[in-house]
Amino acid sequence: DAGITQSPRHKVTETGTPVTLRCHQTENHRYMYWYRQDPGHGLRLIHYSYGVKDTDKGEVSDGYSVSRSKTEDFLLTLESATSSQTSVYFCAISDGRMGDIQYFGAGTRLSVL
Amino acid sequence: GQQLNQSPQSMFIQEGEDVSMNCTSSSIFNTWLWYKQDPGEGPVLLIALYKAGELTSNGRLTAQFGITRKDSFLNISASIPSDVGIYFCAGTGANSKLTFGKGITLSVRP
Repeated sequence: DAGITQSPRHKVTETGTPVTLRCHQTENHRYMYWYRQDPGHGLRLIHYSYGVKDTDKGEVSDGYSVSRSKTEDFLLTLESATSSQTSVYFCAISDGRMGDIQYFGAGTRLSVL
Repeated sequence: GQQLNQSPQSMFIQEGEDVSMNCTSSSIFNTWLWYKQDPGEGPVLLIALYKAGELTSNGRLTAQFGITRKDSFLNISASIPSDVGIYFCAGTGANSKLTFGKGITLSVRP
């Protein structure tokens, strides 16, 4: 398994509260990604990072922010969680180019009540 | 933008049967990947394809990179219960970004 750890694995929170999800890798890969997975939508890219402090938006970035202060850590923050952000969140990593094979973490199941 | 089409959304087969899944696009792709996601887990890479016409096997799985570079298929032979899960295709096209299909959920009846 690629060395990717997501924490927490499960979280229940209330609408309007801030939430931070963490992705930690031990592979020293350059690229890190955050996806959300919802029934009927597959995997949708939220944000990605191509280096320390270098990040860019994906297709569903509204309501989310990210930070990457170290190569190994990529944080996803929901500033004020909404029920529409209830989802399963996956972190992925890749080496080399943007289109390279991505390796996924085990996911975080988030419920916003 | 680049899109990958996988259909149907769900497939139901009997244990022991073979199953084939397609992934199609109107755009040309340079790399095709097939992932499987077990319930409660993240997607895991099954097969990677890098050249048009390439045929690659991984155990009971076989995948091909279409000659037109606009499609790929995955074949699972002699299915077993642990083959259940969601199968995603993914590809890298002209924009150099990895695009994912929406996945096919496979159920295997014993």
